[in-house]
Amino acid sequence: ELKVEQNPLFLSMQEGKNYTIYCNYSTTSDRLYWYRQDPGKSLESLFVLLSNGAVKQEGRLMASLDTKARLSTLHITAAVHDLSATYFCAVRETSGSRLTFGEGTQLTVNP
Amino acid sequence: DVKVTQSSRYLVKRTGEKVFLECVQDMDHENMFWYRQDPGLGLRLIYFSYDVKMKEKGDIPEGYSVSREKKERFSLILESASTNQTSMYLCASSPGTGLIRKQFFGPGTRLTVL
Repeated sequence: ELKVEQNPLFLSMQEGKNYTIYCNYSTTSDRLYWYRQDPGKSLESLFVLLSNGAVKQEGRLMASLDTKARLSTLHITAAVHDLSATYFCAVRETSGSRLTFGEGTQLTVNP
Repeated sequence: DVKVTQSSRYLVKRTGEKVFLECVQDMDHENMFWYRQDPGLGLRLIYFSYDVKMKEKGDIPEGYSVSREKKERFSLILESASTNQTSMYLCASSPGTGLIRKQFFGPGTRLTVL
């Protein structure tokens, strides 16, 4: 059974600081997804990582994937208040289309 | 842009009622999914469907059933609602083939069972 763990689950940081969210998964996978959820809203896709060593960047967010370590990171650079949200990673099993989600990391960026 | 819509944003029902949650997508996606989201538990898959009239159990199917009579529509049914089914319900769809197969989510239905 595929398990996905994120840490930290709660993150409070100051504007301008850097931080990393970690996503570990338990079995072989060939796809990893990062989503963002604003309070009361649905999930919005951020990144899709397709292979070992993949790196994607959008603004102050950068995601990477190490399939050998079964680890993905979401790095936040010089955080701003608008990044406050809950971030989920999700892993697709090697076959099929279903995803297993992590518990989510609730990020609060304080002025 | 892919659009996934859900029939209600908020719903209040009484224990024992039959509840229908509807989801419609407009991008001809083969796959559709129903999740529930609860604080501290992330998203948990209830059921999914990879084709019309096909369905597969997810991780927490007990107390739920689904129907997919048309490709664009996937319904979640609570046969006899209970208070522990109070939750946020999210529908998603994705292509059945292709490299990425990203899931696109609807706005969610917040269901309260009294």
